[in-house]
Amino acid sequence: EAGVTQSPTHLIKTRGQQATLRCSPISGHTSVYWYQQALGLGLQFLLWYDEGEERNRGNFPPRFSGRQFPNYSSELNVNALELEDSALYLCASRSRRSNYEQYFGPGTRLTVT
Amino acid sequence: SQKIEQNSEALNIQEGKTATLTCNYTNYSPAYLQWYRQDPGRGPVFLLLIRENEKEKRKERLKVTFDTTLKQSLFHITASQPADSATYLCALPLYSSASKIIFGSGTRLSIRP
Repeated sequence: EAGVTQSPTHLIKTRGQQATLRCSPISGHTSVYWYQQALGLGLQFLLWYDEGEERNRGNFPPRFSGRQFPNYSSELNVNALELEDSALYLCASRSRRSNYEQYFGPGTRLTVT
Repeated sequence: SQKIEQNSEALNIQEGKTATLTCNYTNYSPAYLQWYRQDPGRGPVFLLLIRENEKEKRKERLKVTFDTTLKQSLFHITASQPADSATYLCALPLYSSASKIIFGSGTRLSIRP
């Protein structure tokens, strides 16, 4: 069974630009979660999508947005990039039949210069 | 809101000994609690889930306890090996029973040969 995949692996942008990060969940998983992990810090919850709908979002400004497609893959968009947006962005998927465990992808390392 | 406290200081253990990591929470008792392992630059990997009505859960060399009176979970690795060196994250639902989970900042464990 293929795991969660994320693309790109690395992304370098300049301040003010937009970044788009992509995530493909494990087959059969309908929920996708996005987290931000700045260097040396813990995981900060960004967004949760389930069945194509945004179910919850963390304490991040509106320039962080995303969507979930009919095939349950997801996209995270970050507009007007700031230097402090540099972080590892992790996507996780979950099955409704699971005991709430989340399966994480390898992450996208976003660097804003 | 719920807060999670994990020892932010690294834990250094001699190979073969038992490593014990602590996770404390401050508010309501969650319906379940999870432990994940994270290696540098990679996504967390789910290890164990323990429910509020379970005192203890085991998986190979791993053991997790859950004390709702103390609001604490302990994570044990017996017969520790250098390959067990990683950061271990405690996670629990944002509300008493929810699909959105929050993560502790993690404890870095180093096993020296």
